[in-house]
Amino acid sequence: DAKTTQPTSMDCAEGRAANLPCNHSTISGNEYVYWYRQIHSQGPQYIIHGLKNNETNEMASLIITEDRKSSTLILPHATLRDTAVYYCTAQGRAGAQKLVFGQGTRLTINP
Amino acid sequence: DAGITQSPRYKITETGRQVTLMCHQTWSHSYMFWYRQDLGHGLRLIYYSAAADITDKGEVPDGYVVSRSKTENFPLTLESATRSQTSVYFCASSSRDRALLEQFFGPGTRLTVL
Repeated sequence: DAKTTQPTSMDCAEGRAANLPCNHSTISGNEYVYWYRQIHSQGPQYIIHGLKNNETNEMASLIITEDRKSSTLILPHATLRDTAVYYCTAQGRAGAQKLVFGQGTRLTINP
Repeated sequence: DAGITQSPRYKITETGRQVTLMCHQTWSHSYMFWYRQDLGHGLRLIYYSAAADITDKGEVPDGYVVSRSKTENFPLTLESATRSQTSVYFCASSSRDRALLEQFFGPGTRLTVL
């Protein structure tokens, strides 16, 4: 599984787009990028995943660079309820059942 | 209600005692998982199960026992609790076709071993 690097913390104003970067420079061709988040004291929540193409769902957008060495999770209109720790992980399908989370990015949405 | 539940939500026990944490899901998901979360270590997989009667070790299985006689239940037992097992425990489940992509987590059990 590729190692991922994320900033320890970020701040964003309510209503603005929150852009969370993740570096996964050692990612291999069959490894997916997953994003989860954990709101204080709750279980982690799946957000989105991608392999090569950019992806969008009702929660967020995932932009993966062409060389796949980094990605950005975008929360288009952040709300106070988006305050959480966001985890980026890169894993192949064979190992994905063993989710491996690093320290993540603590995102604080400010009013 | 549908979903994944864990019980108890909070538990205090003493060193050497046996403790069982329960996990129940109503989606009939094939896969179920147990993780522990500690400050400084993130989330670590203890055991997982691909189906009833099929279990496998994760990253930190020592001191834990699991069973899966029914698809919907996946209890985790600490046979002789130690202080190092003080942690927050999360159960998760996933369907067979999405097991590799999306896991649904329960609310967690906060366990303190004195």
